[in-house]
Formats: sequence, C-alpha cells, structure tokens
Amino acid sequence: DQQVKQNSPSLSVQEGRISILNCDYTNSMFDYFLWYKKYPAEGPTFLISISSIKDKNEDGRFTVFLNKSAKHLSLHIVPSQPGDSAVYFCAASGKAAGNKLTFGGGTRVLVKP
Amino acid sequence: NAGVTQTPKFRVLKTGQSMTLLCAQDMNHEYMYWYRQDPGMGLRLIHYSVGEGTTAKGEVPDGYNVSRLKKQNFLLGLESAAPSQTSVYFCASSYSLHHAYNEQFFGPGTRLTVL
Repeated sequence: DQQVKQNSPSLSVQEGRISILNCDYTNSMFDYFLWYKKYPAEGPTFLISISSIKDKNEDGRFTVFLNKSAKHLSLHIVPSQPGDSAVYFCAASGKAAGNKLTFGGGTRVLVKP
Repeated sequence: NAGVTQTPKFRVLKTGQSMTLLCAQDMNHEYMYWYRQDPGMGLRLIHYSVGEGTTAKGEVPDGYNVSRLKKQNFLLGLESAAPSQTSVYFCASSYSLHHAYNEQFFGPGTRLTVL
C-alpha cells in the first residue's frame, strides 16, 4: 500500500503557463516533504522542500503548498519552461519512519514550446 | 567533486548470475542508500547505512545484500539474480537523517536487466 501517491502519471502544459503537480499521503506521522526532479538517464535532484509547520514554501518559480488536514501537497511551477520537462517525485519523511524518505510514483511533465 | 558515482551504468545478467553494484561518494556523508525505481512505483528503499560498518533493511530488501566497509563506498550485491530484479538502481547519500539536512544526493543510476 503506497503511503505517498501521485495520481497523475503525466502532465502536458504550454510554455509560460502554470504547472500544478499533486501528491497525497496517508501517514499522518510524515512531517517533512520534498520534491525531486529527474531527467532521463540521470539521478533525481532535490528541488524544494517544506516542513509541516508551514503551509507554503517558495523558491523562484517553484512553490510548494501543504494542506495537512487533507494530507495533500502540490508543486506549482510558474511560468513553466521547456527545461522543466522531467519526471517529478514527491517524497515524505517523519521521525516515526526513521526519517527515511518515502517516494511517490512520479509525474512526467512535458512543457511544450 | 564528483558527488555520487555508480558503476556500472548498464548490465545484463542471466537468471541465477551474481553481481555487485558499486556506489562511491566524495561528500563525506554518513548516510548512504540503495533504491530501485520501477515504472509507476517511484523509488523504493532496498537497504541503507547510517555509517561505516553498519547496514539496515529498507522497504524491499529481499534478494539483495549490502556492505559498507569504507565510509565513501556502499556496495549492493545480487547473489542469484531473478527477472523481478530488472530495474534501475540508484544510490544516494546524505549528511544526516535530521529533517533539515535530509537532502539526499543521487547517483546517475544503473540499469540492470535480468533475462
């Protein structure tokens, strides 16, 4: 049973528009959430994170929102650029899980010029 | 500063063969991890290590063994490969398991096919 789910396996968006990626989790003990970005034939790279004491974290074009009551987080990319085309993984961790990361299945984003 | 490196990049095995995947990091990280990535499943933790000489089981440890004889190296072994172990394997390292510093740095991956 996946504790972290990304229900949209793929997303296509026009350059300059907003990309919204969603992630749901079931374990209420998770209290730290991360997004990783992965290009083909490369390892994932850290993108942005958020602690459960916050509901929003922003870094340039990337913003992560956390809704603890709904056990839901989302990643907004504004504006989307062709170089953002990649697979995005959300991940969650918590002390109860030994602070190890639990990953979602990933969302493939295609930004069209 | 190479970060996290993995060898080999690709490998094809026959069922029952054995092999070792090597991971090396030059960031002096205490923590190292082995994941496998399968379509739609994300990354699943196989084994991890919290320091030289220590290893622990992750989510999907069966069929794999690991060793951490040196701080900078983490080896993943398959004693008798099975087709179900066809996957992309990623090694990662991190400074700490504390939340604020739990950014994990990943290697480029090893694509393994078991026939």
